[in-house]
Amino acid sequence: AQRVTQPEKLLSVFKGAPVELKCNYSYSGSPELFWYVQYSRQRLQLLLRHISRESIKGFTADLNKGETSFHLKKPFAQEEDSAMYYCALSEDGNNRLAFGKGNQVVVIP
Amino acid sequence: SQTIHQWPATLVQPVGSPLSLECTVEGTSNPNLYWYRQAAGRGLQLLFYSVGIGQISSEVPQNLSASRPQDRQFILSSKKLLLSDSGFYLCAWSGGLDTQYFGPGTRLTVL
Repeated sequence: AQRVTQPEKLLSVFKGAPVELKCNYSYSGSPELFWYVQYSRQRLQLLLRHISRESIKGFTADLNKGETSFHLKKPFAQEEDSAMYYCALSEDGNNRLAFGKGNQVVVIP
Repeated sequence: SQTIHQWPATLVQPVGSPLSLECTVEGTSNPNLYWYRQAAGRGLQLLFYSVGIGQISSEVPQNLSASRPQDRQFILSSKKLLLSDSGFYLCAWSGGLDTQYFGPGTRLTVL
């Protein structure tokens, strides 16, 4: 069963517009949630994790246990934000990651 | 600093042929090591992980196997490839319960 769901495959936004990538998870324990990003011709890398509660490159994500969501948001998209974004879940901190299918974000100049 | 290498970068193999993909990590000791696969239209799927030499856990039953002959070496193998084994294979490492760092990946096409 899919434990991490990212509903939109492709998201196109204009530069300066807000961007939100949705992520819902299925897990009843204490999850740890991550967002990973892959820019063109670069390796998959960590963008942010919920326990850090920090903003990276203007992105934030809040874990909502009631809605089992971990949506990624940025108020003003930049061209360099064009990339593939993956939401991932680690169950009870065992560091085995379950990934969603990913969102391709295209920022239109 | 730590680095992770994978090779080959791309591979085209006929159905029924064997497979060996290698992953090595530098600059750290006793890392956790992982193999993921990304098939067309699907997300990243964890295939194997290892917390130490000779310790391999399989996440999904399949045509593949993994081995860890040395502390910083992780090998993904198959005796006979299937068409469904095509995909993008990623190796990753972590220092225990920490961020995972990914390699550049291997694009495998089985014909």
